[in-house]
Amino acid sequence: EVHLVESGGGLVQPGGSLRLSCAASGFTFSSYWMSWVRQVPGKGLEWVANIKLDGSEKYYVDSVKGRFSISRDNAKNSLYLQMNSLSAEDTAVYYCAREVREEGLTDAFDIWGQGTVVTVSS
Amino acid sequence: DIVLTQTPLSSPVTIGQPASISCRSSQSLVHSNGNTYLSWLQQRPGQPPRLLIYKISNRFSGVPDRFSGSGAGTDFTLKISRVEAEDVGVYYCMQGTQLPSFGGGTKVEIK
Repeated sequence: EVHLVESGGGLVQPGGSLRLSCAASGFTFSSYWMSWVRQVPGKGLEWVANIKLDGSEKYYVDSVKGRFSISRDNAKNSLYLQMNSLSAEDTAVYYCAREVREEGLTDAFDIWGQGTVVTVSS
Repeated sequence: DIVLTQTPLSSPVTIGQPASISCRSSQSLVHSNGNTYLSWLQQRPGQPPRLLIYKISNRFSGVPDRFSGSGAGTDFTLKISRVEAEDVGVYYCMQGTQLPSFGGGTKVEIK
C-alpha cells in the first residue's frame, strides 16, 4: 500500500529552524515529483515547494523563497523540507504529497501524508 | 500568479439532494498543450486532502460516480449528484497549469 509519513514538526521560536521529513513506501519514490503543501489550522491549502525526480529542479512559493529548502534522498525514499528564519505565519500543518505529472506540469496531487504540525511561537 | 475563487463558502445540503461548487480562475487554465490542469480534492474533518477529480472531469481511482467535474477555460464546477453523510467536509479546486495553487475551499455540511 502506498504511504507517506511526515515527521519533524514541533514548537519552534520565531527566527528558528526546523527540518521536516517525509518517508515514502509502497511505490517507486524516485519516479515521482514530490511536493510540500501546508495548511494553517482552520484555513485553506497552500502549495509550498516541489522537487523533480532527481532533485535537479526545485520550485517554491514566493513567501518561502530564500528561507525554505526542499530536498530528497531517493536511496532512503525520503523527502525533506529545511525551514529557516521561521515566523508565526509559517505555523501550519505541513503535508507531503505525491504529484501526478504531465508534460512538465502538475496534473494533480494523488497521495497525501497525514501531516506534521509546525508551531512558531515564543 | 493564478488565483482560484470558490463559491459558495459554505453549502448546507439535505442528504440525497445535489450539491454544486464553483471554481473560477483569474486566467485561463488551458495550457499550450491543449490540456487543462484543474483538479478537485475533498478534505474530511481531521483528515488530509484526498484527490477526487483531475483534468476537469476525470474521476480518480475509487471515487464514487456521484462526483463529477465540468467546465472549461476559467470556470469549473464540481457536482455531487446525491449528497451522502460521508461527503461532509471541505472541497478545494487546484490548478497545475502554472505553479500549483488552490482555491479557498467550500464547506459542505448537512442541513
